[in-house]
Amino acid sequence: GAGVSQSPSNKVTEKGKDVELRCDPISGHTALYWYRQSLGQGLEFLIYFQGNSAPDKSGLPSDRFSAERTGGSVSTLTIQRTQQEDSAVYLCASSSLYRGFQSSGANVLTFGAGSRLTVL
Amino acid sequence: AQSVSQHNHHVILSEAASLELGCNYSYGGTVNLFWYVQYPGQHLQLLLKYFSGDPLVKGIKGFEAEFIKSKFSFNLRKPSVQWSDTAEYFCAVNRTPGAAGNKLTFGGGTRVLVKP
Repeated sequence: GAGVSQSPSNKVTEKGKDVELRCDPISGHTALYWYRQSLGQGLEFLIYFQGNSAPDKSGLPSDRFSAERTGGSVSTLTIQRTQQEDSAVYLCASSSLYRGFQSSGANVLTFGAGSRLTVL
Repeated sequence: AQSVSQHNHHVILSEAASLELGCNYSYGGTVNLFWYVQYPGQHLQLLLKYFSGDPLVKGIKGFEAEFIKSKFSFNLRKPSVQWSDTAEYFCAVNRTPGAAGNKLTFGGGTRVLVKP
């Protein structure tokens, strides 16, 4: 597609339920990122996928959070047993990446509109 | 671990005033530097970027930023702001251009309110 698509745009859930958030990156972009944006907290890195390499999961806040990327394209972020502190906007971004030299487009992230999660 | 610091959380100014937003990062190696902007109700979008070359980079809407390596800084400036510049501004850094890929680390953001 023309941009990064995220769904759902809004999700309200009860504490303890599991949620899945989906990201469809720009076609051809090999890198995919998940960030969390909380009020007053800026953008918190969660996880990064690059091609077939092992994902960088260093930002996941707990083992309740997981993400996968199927076929190098669509990604799903799963939060199990949601807590109220999980309430935030979850942003997905994708980028192209060129090995060995810099490109004007490399590492420039295109963001989706985000999925706003509210845990009651 | 690398970190990115934005000095001001909130800035309020009048139209035509000059704007400067500070950004410092902690990583000592080679970096790519970015400023992203989020207008009310809109996606985050790229304002400008620095990869190499001239340390003074110009972006969209009259913004510019200067990379000062010795100070680990990448401050954003605009000589004369408009009401439409009201937004949240994020500085971001990633390491080692040309590598297999590194996460982009963002600062905490600065909310700018321009009064008409």
